[in-house]
Amino acid sequence: AQSVTQLDSQVPVFEEAPVELRCNYSSSVSVYLFWYVQYPNQGLQLLLKYLSGSTLVKGINGFEAEFNKSQTSFHLRKPSVHISDTAEYFCAVSVVDNNDMRFGAGTRLTVKP
Amino acid sequence: DAMVIQNPRYQVTQFGKPVTLSCSQTLNHNVMYWYQQKSSQAPKLLFHYYDKDFNNEADTPDNFQSRRPNTSFCFLDIRSPGLGDAAMYLCATSRDTSGGAASWETQYFGPGTRLLVL
Repeated sequence: AQSVTQLDSQVPVFEEAPVELRCNYSSSVSVYLFWYVQYPNQGLQLLLKYLSGSTLVKGINGFEAEFNKSQTSFHLRKPSVHISDTAEYFCAVSVVDNNDMRFGAGTRLTVKP
Repeated sequence: DAMVIQNPRYQVTQFGKPVTLSCSQTLNHNVMYWYQQKSSQAPKLLFHYYDKDFNNEADTPDNFQSRRPNTSFCFLDIRSPGLGDAAMYLCATSRDTSGGAASWETQYFGPGTRLLVL
């Protein structure tokens, strides 16, 4: 079965600084990759997803992620964060022809003024 | 706005006392999921419905059951809650036109119900 590892449980960063949240996956078959964000007291919301094609995926709120098959990674980046980006970020993987999504443990991004 | 609604947001129950969590959706999605999320852990899929077809994860305890009386509603029943069942329970929906294999579809989540077992 597929699995996801988010390498950092917490990432503190100052406002307007760049940020990278790391995600590695494991699967023996082709995958689809997702980043979801969970703001305080809210449900998870899709930021972006990679299905096929260009390995650089752009999402909402200025986030982007790059699929790297050789390194089995799907790191999330933003060039300049805002206070409002403070949230929990989850990387997730699903495999082709199997409706079973696996989530990572999450990375808590805290943006400080 | 189309959305996924979970009630209640917080639920307190006693050890061993059956409890039901509810989820409703206005998205008209044919797939509904229930996840369990414990503190600082990944959401873990318990089961999902593809239309009326129930799909249980292999490691979901028998203590957890689900009902989907119609497209809009889905319930999570915990027959005899233990202390280890205290968690956030997330409901999600997706639209799947592939017959159950649309693992590329976005899932839309409700805000969750936090269950406390005393």
